[in-house]
Amino acid sequence: AQTVTQSQPEMSVQEAETVTLSCTYDTSESNYYLFWYKQPPSRQMILVIRQEAYKQQNATENRFSVNFQKAAKSFSLKISDSQLGDTAMYFCAFNAGGTSYGKLTFGQGTILTVHP
Amino acid sequence: DAGVIQSPRHEVTEMGQEVTLRCKPISGHDYLFWYRQTMMRGLELLIYFNNNVPIDDSGMPEDRFSAKMPNASFSTLKIQPSEPRDSAVYFCASSSPTGFGTEAFFGQGTRLTVV
Repeated sequence: AQTVTQSQPEMSVQEAETVTLSCTYDTSESNYYLFWYKQPPSRQMILVIRQEAYKQQNATENRFSVNFQKAAKSFSLKISDSQLGDTAMYFCAFNAGGTSYGKLTFGQGTILTVHP
Repeated sequence: DAGVIQSPRHEVTEMGQEVTLRCKPISGHDYLFWYRQTMMRGLELLIYFNNNVPIDDSGMPEDRFSAKMPNASFSTLKIQPSEPRDSAVYFCASSSPTGFGTEAFFGQGTRLTVV
């Protein structure tokens, strides 16, 4: 079974600054997928970024980028130029690939607060 | 595309009552998932379906919980009888195997409160 660990229950950052959220995971799979989801107060789960394990290049989506370290089983999320709208809970999630389409194992979440 | 639609958004019920949560997946998606979110346990998968067939229900906490998917556009999660510890946010999600590890699209969730 896979496990996902987010060791930072809460983080805060000033607007326009950069913040990094940590995530580690444990798996015996070789091909898998990792995701960061954002959950604002509206409760909606929104996909922020995803990474395929077989790709060495780190994924980037505008102000969001990841640092994927496969050997260390680490998958951190960097948010650049933080905005007030980034305030939310962030979840790291793992998908084992193969036929487990959309089946996710989540970390405990990190509450991020962006201060003006 | 209307996204995944869940109803109701909020449900308050008394202990012992039957509760039914509803979900309409995105058209064309053939995987459907029910997740539960609590402060203590975070987000956990309860059950998922492929082509309307339950594939893995190992996350269903007790026999009081049951889920059905009578057709490709509708699923229900039923709790009977409900208990206060069932209070949580229940999410439905759907996905389509356009590739390995396809993302799951989530509904807005149902906040269930059992008093």
